[in-house]
Amino acid sequence: AQSVTQPDIHITVSEGASLELRCNYSYGATPYLFWYVQSPGQGLQLLLKYFSGDTLVQGIKGFEAEFKRSQSSFNLRKPSVHWSDAAEYFCAVGAWRAGNNRKLIWGLGTSLAVNP
Amino acid sequence: DTGVSQNPRHKITKRGQNVTFRCDPISEHNRLYWYRQTLGQGPEFLTYFQNEAQLEKSRLLSDRFSAERPKGSFSTLEIQRTEQGDSAMYLCASSLGQGKQPQHFGDGTRLSIL
Repeated sequence: AQSVTQPDIHITVSEGASLELRCNYSYGATPYLFWYVQSPGQGLQLLLKYFSGDTLVQGIKGFEAEFKRSQSSFNLRKPSVHWSDAAEYFCAVGAWRAGNNRKLIWGLGTSLAVNP
Repeated sequence: DTGVSQNPRHKITKRGQNVTFRCDPISEHNRLYWYRQTLGQGPEFLTYFQNEAQLEKSRLLSDRFSAERPKGSFSTLEIQRTEQGDSAMYLCASSLGQGKQPQHFGDGTRLSIL
């Protein structure tokens, strides 16, 4: 069955520190992977996506993620966290049919708190 | 690109009442998705449309739920005889249908059942 696991429910980091949020997936075919961010009471904003090619992808707001097929992982990283990065982060895998966008399967999210 | 728009942002209603939410996708997007998100959880897929055709429905979508996209543009999600368990954020997303295109989300409609 297709699934996404985010092992860390909650993470707290100090402003300026580096960040890594973990994501593991289970998917039978080539995965199409996404990271979204959600601020309280808001919808989801796409940070970055991986479809193919270079396994290190760059996103918005200084985030990057690395796809590792051998580990079934797609971890999100940022070298220096800003207070405005405090939010909920969701990893998702895209379920496709015949090359067409079908639906996203989501992890439970990681809540990020940033200490000043 | 005005983004995905959802209305209303908040809906408070009594148990047993019917509610309807509206989603206006990004104009050139032919695929539209509905998700439900409860507190502390990731979104759960409900249904999606390609133009006006509803192509897939989750088992989460009981017979009290119905979604339409009559002209292939905006969509409505109706919940009949609401129950306490329907309290959630209802999220709409849209995408281009062909190829590997990401889904773009609206800000959601938060439903509270009294």
